[in-house]
Amino acid sequence: GIQVEQSPPDLILQEGANSTLRCNFSDSVNNLQWFHQNPWGQLINLFYIPSGTKQNGRLSATTVATERYSLLYISSSQTTDSGVYFCAVREDNFNKFYFGSGTKLNVKP
Amino acid sequence: EAGVTQSPTHLIKTRGQQATLRCSPISGHTSVYWYQQALGLGLQFLLWYDEGEERNRGNFPPRFSGRQFPNYSSELNVNALELEDSALYLCASSLPWASGVTDTQYFGPGTRLTVL
Repeated sequence: GIQVEQSPPDLILQEGANSTLRCNFSDSVNNLQWFHQNPWGQLINLFYIPSGTKQNGRLSATTVATERYSLLYISSSQTTDSGVYFCAVREDNFNKFYFGSGTKLNVKP
Repeated sequence: EAGVTQSPTHLIKTRGQQATLRCSPISGHTSVYWYQQALGLGLQFLLWYDEGEERNRGNFPPRFSGRQFPNYSSELNVNALELEDSALYLCASSLPWASGVTDTQYFGPGTRLTVL
């Protein structure tokens, strides 16, 4: 199966700081999503981005499919951004989704 | 529009028992996915149903099974429960994979299963 690696595993930020989270994947994919898991376990969709760049408020994401990585940018971080960020991909021609191990973000006031 | 719903929220069972978890997808979604998230870990793909059929399954033993009903809701059954089955079980739904539209997955709040 496809390997999905996220970095860094843990990140501590001061409120207002910017950060970049990375997701590397080992094979070509036809679906890539970023999720935020809140402390109660709920997974919230952030981006569906198998290629290209998207922005939503303080968050933006870029996927370079040919180089097999995606980046999630968080600007002007807030304490509510705390939680775990997951990247998930689906292989071309296969029907399984693979999640990375996540980046645990802690934004301090 | 209602999101993905799961029941029960919490479930406590003992070793050897069977657990049944339920999921209702977003209206119009025909694909349902099940994932297991053990404490502090990432999500492991369990099962994918689409249009009533099992399309694929992850690397889990056969005692993990499920089905999808004509209304596209789904049930996950775990037989002969073991202590290591304790986890958060998440269900997601999406538009049909073959529809050609963006098949973004939307997750429910999960069922926390505890095996004693």
